[in-house]
Amino acid sequence: DTGVSQNPRHKITKRGQNVTFRCDPISEHNRLYWYRQTLGQGPEFLTYFQNEAQLEKSRLLSDRFSAERPKGSFSTLEIQRTEQGDSAMYLCASSKGDRNTEAFFGQGTRLTVV
Amino acid sequence: RKEVEQDPGPFNVPEGATVAFNCTYSNSASQSFFWYRQDCRKEPKLLMSVYSSGNEDGRFTAQLNRASQYISLLIRDSKLSDSATYLCVVSHTGRRALTFGSGTRLQVQP
Repeated sequence: DTGVSQNPRHKITKRGQNVTFRCDPISEHNRLYWYRQTLGQGPEFLTYFQNEAQLEKSRLLSDRFSAERPKGSFSTLEIQRTEQGDSAMYLCASSKGDRNTEAFFGQGTRLTVV
Repeated sequence: RKEVEQDPGPFNVPEGATVAFNCTYSNSASQSFFWYRQDCRKEPKLLMSVYSSGNEDGRFTAQLNRASQYISLLIRDSKLSDSATYLCVVSHTGRRALTFGSGTRLQVQP
């Protein structure tokens, strides 16, 4: 499978715990995005990488959230001290090129904070 | 005001009907426009890009009106398999990320 891969697919955690999600983009794609989606809403932008550089972060991304893409390939999204409001689907997408081109999404990681 | 606004629906239509969705965007610097489709509990997938001159892909037609800042999607001869949420997506040169609307839900009924 050469699409965007996300792990784990599901995560249930207790409030206050830290969680980390992983995204493996399509191999030739240099752009990688993280989005969050809740029921009945469209995906909300969290952060964006071009290669290993984090070029944009949403105001939605509090200091409990951090993302990395250390070698310009896979990326991790960490949420510290999780809160119930963090429960959502976390989607990763990747794209290539310098212009705005199609973004391909992974199947997402569904986080439930209890 | 949201940057991209859509009527959430649901639009309930019979098989074979023609249905149209509109989407408005607030940033006049928006340069690229897309329609994505999202099935229940699945990831969004690109349905079609939207070009300035309008474009068609089979039963689907997309139009862009820059003066009024809206995008439309027309689906002809609706199929049961068209039932999904349709997401309007825009981006502009000052921001590389795609901005999504909340989506319009379509339910095609037999």
